[in-house]
Amino acid sequence: GESVGLHLPTLSVQEGDNSIINCAYSNSASDYFIWYKQESGKGPQFIIDIRSNMDKRQGQRVTVLLNKTVKHLSLQIAATQPGDSAVYFCAENRGSGNQFYFGTGTSLTVIP
Amino acid sequence: EAQVTQNPRYLITVTGKKLTVTCSQNMNHEYMSWYRQDPGLGLRQIYYSMNVEVTDKGDVPEGYKVSRKEKRNFPLILESPSPNQTSLYFCASSPLGGANYGYTFGSGTRLTVV
Repeated sequence: GESVGLHLPTLSVQEGDNSIINCAYSNSASDYFIWYKQESGKGPQFIIDIRSNMDKRQGQRVTVLLNKTVKHLSLQIAATQPGDSAVYFCAENRGSGNQFYFGTGTSLTVIP
Repeated sequence: EAQVTQNPRYLITVTGKKLTVTCSQNMNHEYMSWYRQDPGLGLRQIYYSMNVEVTDKGDVPEGYKVSRKEKRNFPLILESPSPNQTSLYFCASSPLGGANYGYTFGSGTRLTVV
């Protein structure tokens, strides 16, 4: 079933601050997770992924943390910039080939 | 440039008038999929295809058809559109290989059925 509530959560942060976006997933069999960024009028773009045998992965200014015990995923964005304003959502692969299931997303607004 | 191309970007049509949204990818991906995105509901899968001539239903297939005659193309067909199919549609592709790759998405098609 849907892991994230029906209302799109929103997050406003000051430019330069760090952002943390959370995602709960539902299936303990999920073994691969991706964070996507969707800017207004565009398709989702891959940001970072993580496998279930890891609990942390870092990219450029982004870090994903995975807590399998509570089935929780978070995306941390360091030194948030106006260009980071977008909807962010997580996707989980439940170990069934190429099928992914998506959360409803969090809308991030960066205040200059 | 590696990409998924959808056309049209915007479409307004009337109830019952058949339409096709095209999707093409230039990455030689085996897997292609259609999603619709609605406020508060996120991305929901309509149909997917693991390879040429292989298609399967996703979570919300009612009212839609697809075909996969060529590897690069995966059109979405609405035989008799209804207002509840008003939505933002995305095509996506990826290589096969299980949970190893994310999707490359198209830019979306905003469909309005009146």
